[in-house]
Amino acid sequence: EDQVTQSPEALRLQEGESSSLNCSYTVSGLRGLFWYRQDPGKGPEFLFTLYSAGEEKEKERLKATLTKKESFLHITAPKPEDSATYLCAVQDKPLMGDSWGKFQFGAGTQVVVTP
Amino acid sequence: KAGVTQTPRYLIKTRGQQVTLSCSPISGHRSVSWYQQTPGQGLQFLFEYFSETQRNKGNFPGRFSGRQFSNSRSEMNVSTLELGDSALYLCASSLGRSFNEKLFFGSGTQLSVL
Repeated sequence: EDQVTQSPEALRLQEGESSSLNCSYTVSGLRGLFWYRQDPGKGPEFLFTLYSAGEEKEKERLKATLTKKESFLHITAPKPEDSATYLCAVQDKPLMGDSWGKFQFGAGTQVVVTP
Repeated sequence: KAGVTQTPRYLIKTRGQQVTLSCSPISGHRSVSWYQQTPGQGLQFLFEYFSETQRNKGNFPGRFSGRQFSNSRSEMNVSTLELGDSALYLCASSLGRSFNEKLFFGSGTQLSVL
């Protein structure tokens, strides 16, 4: 069965203190790995899609990387506005059936950045 | 461009009642997916609709149903509500042309079952 595990569950950072979030996954075949950001009271907001091992994507202070077993979201010199829950999601290539709309989400990492 | 709109924002129901949630996707998006989010289980896939047809379904009981209209708007219905149905219900839209498209989420409907 597909599994997506995120660690740590929560992370408290000082402004400017860089860190990394981990997303490890087990799927039969990866169609894509997605990172989303969710603010309290809102739905997840798309950040990145990674498709194959070795791929990297960057956006402002965020950089996502992918290996065959896990993905990392690096936060460089974070600011208080980077405080959010970061969700990792994978879409599988199933042996049978389709994957329309179906993504396996991790439980998320709650990041708090203090001034 | 307007985002995904979900109504109502909050709902309070009692056990045994039924509820209907509404979702208007981004203009031009033909795929609508529904997810249940709880603190313990995270986001769980309910179902996906495209051009008024359900293309995929998650592992939820038959009390959870949905439909999509010709304008791509979607509704989700939960009958015979249970306490465990209390959750944030999220709707997401996408173009629906390929499997691994990014999803655009609404702000959700917070359902409380008393």
